[in-house]
Amino acid sequence: NAGVTQTPKFRVLKTGQSMTLLCAQDMNHEYMYWYRQDPGMGLRLIHYSVGEGTTAKGEVPDGYNVSRLKKQNFLLGLESAAPSQTSVYFCASSYWEGGTEAFFGQGTRLTVV
Amino acid sequence: KQEVTQIPAALSVPEGENLVLNCSFTDSAIYNLQWFRQDPGKGLTSLLLIQSSQREQTSGRLNASLDKSSGRSTLYIAASQPGDSATYLCAGSGGGADGLTFGKGTHLIIQP
Repeated sequence: NAGVTQTPKFRVLKTGQSMTLLCAQDMNHEYMYWYRQDPGMGLRLIHYSVGEGTTAKGEVPDGYNVSRLKKQNFLLGLESAAPSQTSVYFCASSYWEGGTEAFFGQGTRLTVV
Repeated sequence: KQEVTQIPAALSVPEGENLVLNCSFTDSAIYNLQWFRQDPGKGLTSLLLIQSSQREQTSGRLNASLDKSSGRSTLYIAASQPGDSATYLCAGSGGGADGLTFGKGTHLIIQP
């Protein structure tokens, strides 16, 4: 009954460091998404995937990379973290495009100092 | 590009009142609309999903409607309780694979 699980829940990075955020879903969903949530900006789509081995850019992809090597996992990477990437990151999944319910993880709060 | 607006940004009402949260969108070709609840420091919990062919959905004390022609959705909360205090987000999908477009949310406080 896990749904969408994000790892880690909190992280502090120094400018220039790299890290990977992991999203895992156990619902056999094809579609997975990474969003960031910033005060006054709402949630914005970073990257998404329509199936294993596929990825695509969303609204704010710069500074991030993603990979979907396994259907159940969607990784978000920051190669060289910047203070502007301080945010709360949410992963989501859905069975197929648009027409079905999206389920979200609990979020990763990232601070870049 | 779809834009989603939620009004008001914040709302405070006494316990027991019925209330309506509003969501408007610019593209009437919206495929579905989903309402979420977010508690402070937590993730998003899905409340209701309305498909484009539907006019409304109900779950317990919650009722959500969708009017594509006017570009509006409403979330009705009956007999509000302090536990309903949270931020409510609406999000629309164009039916493609590129995710949801979110409003900025309504921060709701129910006064005991």
